[in-house]
Amino acid sequence: DAGITQSPRHKVTETGTPVTLRCHQTENHRYMYWYRQDPGHGLRLIHYSYGVKDTDKGEVSDGYSVSRSKTEDFLLTLESATSSQTSVYFCAIKDRAQETQYFGPGTRLLVL
Amino acid sequence: GNSVTQMEGPVTLSEEAFLTINCTYTATGYPSLFWYVQYPGEGLQLLLKATKADDKGSNKGFEATYRKETTSFHLEKGSVQVSDSAVYFCALVPFEDTGRRALTFGSGTRLQVQP
Repeated sequence: DAGITQSPRHKVTETGTPVTLRCHQTENHRYMYWYRQDPGHGLRLIHYSYGVKDTDKGEVSDGYSVSRSKTEDFLLTLESATSSQTSVYFCAIKDRAQETQYFGPGTRLLVL
Repeated sequence: GNSVTQMEGPVTLSEEAFLTINCTYTATGYPSLFWYVQYPGEGLQLLLKATKADDKGSNKGFEATYRKETTSFHLEKGSVQVSDSAVYFCALVPFEDTGRRALTFGSGTRLQVQP
């Protein structure tokens, strides 16, 4: 258990509304990631962070923004949700000593 | 770019059968290779990993060997159990990506084990 929690775990929202997902870690890891999981695609990187206020884009970043004001929290925001953003969202941290990523339990998002 | 290809699922086996899930990759240099497992309704758990050619990762009876010559990292288990039913993901982290070190995933292979 890498001490990662995600909230909410499930959310239903309507097209055009803003949505924020939260990832919280308790072990002071520097690197944090947001992925989305879709059938037939595995997981794809949305954004990542390499420190407080240091973030960068992944392969599928369009329509998403992130923020990291504290080491323990990494927020993913959908400014105006679309149906194509219906997905399962996973947060991950990287344990630098092991060079291995560990995942949170996921957030299932449905955009109607 | 980097990519991971896994065999299509679902794979359906009887209990105690031998399991192989094929995984091949495309990457420059020497990536690190991983297998993650996702049980129904849960997040991803690291199953095993290998960081250099000819390394063998193993855990819970599962094994995979890093084959540079065939760019493969096939997952094997000698005798599967019903509790092994899950989705298995092969993934890599490229060696050159010293900053981001993000995972590139295959599409996943669903394993169903019948009693």
